[in-house]
Amino acid sequence: DIQMTQSPSTLSASLGDTVTITCRASQSISAWLAWYQQKPGKAPKLLIYKASTLETGVPSRFSGSGSGPEFTLTISSLQPDDFATYYCQQYYDYSWSFGQGTKVDFK
Amino acid sequence: EVQLVQSGTEVKKSGESLKISCKASGYRFIDYWIVWVRQMPGKGLEWMGSTHPGDSHTRYNPSLQGQVTISADKSVNTAFLQWNRLKASDTAIYYCARHSYTIDWGQGTLVTVFS
Repeated sequence: DIQMTQSPSTLSASLGDTVTITCRASQSISAWLAWYQQKPGKAPKLLIYKASTLETGVPSRFSGSGSGPEFTLTISSLQPDDFATYYCQQYYDYSWSFGQGTKVDFK
Repeated sequence: EVQLVQSGTEVKKSGESLKISCKASGYRFIDYWIVWVRQMPGKGLEWMGSTHPGDSHTRYNPSLQGQVTISADKSVNTAFLQWNRLKASDTAIYYCARHSYTIDWGQGTLVTVFS
């Protein structure tokens, strides 16, 4: 099984900050990594797929990078709508696994 | 447009059975794996299992094996998640998703089990 380790678990930030969330896979997953944003009571929203491809309609302040075992999600110039929980997910095979989540809250 | 439409909210008593559904449209159903994901109250996302509607090949999270059954009916483009005997700890939101280059999700089904 592929384990995903996401950090930090909580991130306190201010409007306009640039924040970075990291996800490490227990083995190489090539670029089969997705990032999601989730708000309370809502389904996860796909932000990035294939490690760095921005989903249609997602603001360009979101970006993803990395390959193999280590990946990052960067949010530039944090906006009020960005305070949420973020998850990484590998889909290298059909047995998915998720990171533990990162809650981005107000400093 | 790919759509995954899940069945509605369920409130059940512990020990009862339940089958929830995920109806797919906008693509060839038999070509893509369908995945089920659980989110327990206040917790993260957890992969439950995946099924391929074309050949019925199914994989389960080892921690959940035997507790649920995942299936698909290609005649109605629908995947299912089933319990024979619900427990209070099955209270969660259940999502289906399509495993593809870009991943599509259903809206989620809230299942509440009371004892």
